[in-house]
Amino acid sequence: DGGITQSPKYLFRKEGQNVTLSCEQNLNHDAMYWYRQDPGQGLRLIYYSQIVNDFQKGDIAEGYSVSREKKESFPLTVTSAQKNPTAFYLCASSMYFNTEAFFGQGTRLTVV
Amino acid sequence: GENVEQHPSTLSVQEGDSAVIKCTYSDSASNYFPWYKQELGKRPQLIIDIRSNVGEKKDQRIAVTLNKTAKHFSLHITETQPEDSAVYFCAASDLYGQNFVFGPGTRLSVLP
Repeated sequence: DGGITQSPKYLFRKEGQNVTLSCEQNLNHDAMYWYRQDPGQGLRLIYYSQIVNDFQKGDIAEGYSVSREKKESFPLTVTSAQKNPTAFYLCASSMYFNTEAFFGQGTRLTVV
Repeated sequence: GENVEQHPSTLSVQEGDSAVIKCTYSDSASNYFPWYKQELGKRPQLIIDIRSNVGEKKDQRIAVTLNKTAKHFSLHITETQPEDSAVYFCAASDLYGQNFVFGPGTRLSVLP
């Protein structure tokens, strides 16, 4: 069953702790993206990656880090430097840029 | 960078009526314009897209129009049904995907 999978669905962390969100795809897509969605708001781009071992900052990269060691995987780390980390995080992938992006089911992160 | 505006932010229509959502973009290099539908608690899913070499595209009750000169594109839904109720996002992307930016979203409610 092909697709893009995010885990976990819900995540709780204490303030000041780093946390890593998983994103895996078996669609053989080159491009992968991380978006943040706040209640009633649109999707804001955190980071994106065109190929393995390469990634670029999006509009709101501060306080986040990523890696792309494998084509299938694009984990996002929310660091303690992110001032307001509680949000819904969506990972997406596409064959190339400029083509349909497929989204994971999202991870809802709550920092207490 | 690219900036995408979307209007209205909320839209209520009677079942069977038409709904129109409009987006504008700022980067003339953008040439791919997808529309995504996000139902409550679910991932965004592509419903229709259009490229800059096409002025209009239709898929059953859904159509998208593009005016490159004015830098705006619109989503048209005819004969609306309750299952059309969702948040709709427009996006714009250039050939290299470095400006894959989403609009803030429109919450559509179809009233029975």
